[in-house]
Amino acid sequence: DGGITQSPKYLFRKEGQNVTLSCEQNLNHDAMYWYRQDPGQGLRLIYYSQIVNDFQKGDIAEGYSVSREKKESFPLTVTSAQKNPTAFYLCATGLAGGYEQYFGPGTRLTVT
Amino acid sequence: QKEVEQNSGPLSVPEGAIASLNCTYSDRGSQSFFWYRQYSGKSPELIMFIYSNGDKEDGRFTAQLNKASQYVSLLIRDSQPSDSATYLCAVRYSGAGSYQLTFGKGTKLSVIP
Repeated sequence: DGGITQSPKYLFRKEGQNVTLSCEQNLNHDAMYWYRQDPGQGLRLIYYSQIVNDFQKGDIAEGYSVSREKKESFPLTVTSAQKNPTAFYLCATGLAGGYEQYFGPGTRLTVT
Repeated sequence: QKEVEQNSGPLSVPEGAIASLNCTYSDRGSQSFFWYRQYSGKSPELIMFIYSNGDKEDGRFTAQLNKASQYVSLLIRDSQPSDSATYLCAVRYSGAGSYQLTFGKGTKLSVIP
């Protein structure tokens, strides 16, 4: 069954804690992306990776970190340095150099 | 600053009517354009993409692109209550960072039975 999985669906953390969001895909897509969505806002790009062991900062990378050790996986760590971490986090994938991006189901993070 | 503008709505149309959603973008060098549908609480779903000037039809959906005027639109024919969702316009710009998509804030569509 092909697709993009994100876990967990809901995540609750206390302020000051780091948290890692999972994104796994079996679509054989080279490119993976992390977006953040806030109410009334467009999607904003956090990080993206076009190939294993390489990734680039997006528009709002501060307070986040990623790794890309396997083609199938692109975990996102929300660090305590991120000032407003509560948001809906979306992982997307696509073909390298391709145009279309496909989204996973998302993780809703709440930090109190 | 690369911008994608959409009317936030809500846009209300009666069932069976044509819904017209519009999007403007700031960079003339933009290459490709996408429409995503997002139901409340869910992730965006790609429904249409268009790369060339003109119209592209897929079932009840038609995407229209006018690069000279820098707008792209989505028409939904025979609108159904199940089409009620927020529609996101996304643009892939040319040049450095061209792997990135820039998203509008979305237009909320409500189809009234």
